[in-house]
Amino acid sequence: EIVLTQSPGTLSLSPGERATVSCRASQSVSGSYFAWYQQKPGQAPRLLIYGASSRATGIPDRISGSGSGTDFTLTISRLEPEDFAVYYCQQYVSSPVTFGQGTKVEIK
Amino acid sequence: DVQLVESGGGLVQPGGSLRLSCSASGFTFKNYAMSWVRQAPGTGLEWVSSISGGGDGTCYADSVKGRFTVSRDNSKNTLYLQMSSLKTDDTAVYYCAKDRASGNYQTPRFDPWGQGTLVIVSS
Repeated sequence: EIVLTQSPGTLSLSPGERATVSCRASQSVSGSYFAWYQQKPGQAPRLLIYGASSRATGIPDRISGSGSGTDFTLTISRLEPEDFAVYYCQQYVSSPVTFGQGTKVEIK
Repeated sequence: DVQLVESGGGLVQPGGSLRLSCSASGFTFKNYAMSWVRQAPGTGLEWVSSISGGGDGTCYADSVKGRFTVSRDNSKNTLYLQMSSLKTDDTAVYYCAKDRASGNYQTPRFDPWGQGTLVIVSS
């Protein structure tokens, strides 16, 4: 099983600032079979990024993903009020698919 | 628009059983793998089970193998999760989710998700 470790656990930032969330895999995630999700309180998760860097439908271009191998990054270039949420990474290169433990982006 | 609506959650005693349903609309249900993902209170996401579009392939997390059974009725556009021998550790919100594309049911990306149904296992 591939273990995903996200950092930091919590990110305290102000609107307009840049957010960077990291996710490290215990084994190489070949083919960039990697995704990011956003979850707001009381809501279901929403797919943001798949294939490590492709935005899902309706996701604004201030949100981007990058990385390969064992190190992946989610970047929000300028935080909007609606971006304050919990973010999860996921690998889908091998079964069982696994998630990171989550990173909370909170208002400073 | 794709819609996924879960139902069937509730309070059940340890050792009991429960069947969750997920009603799907807005897409050709039989063409997509479907999955269950759960989230215990205040914690992260845990994949539970997936099933192929035709229903002939299934896979489970080790934590539920032998106790949970995933199935689907493509004539009713409905996904099911039969849960038995429930433990307190199974307490969670259970989400159903569609695979983003017509890919391998064993390695899904989840898009979109339903709103979830809460299962509480307690005496």
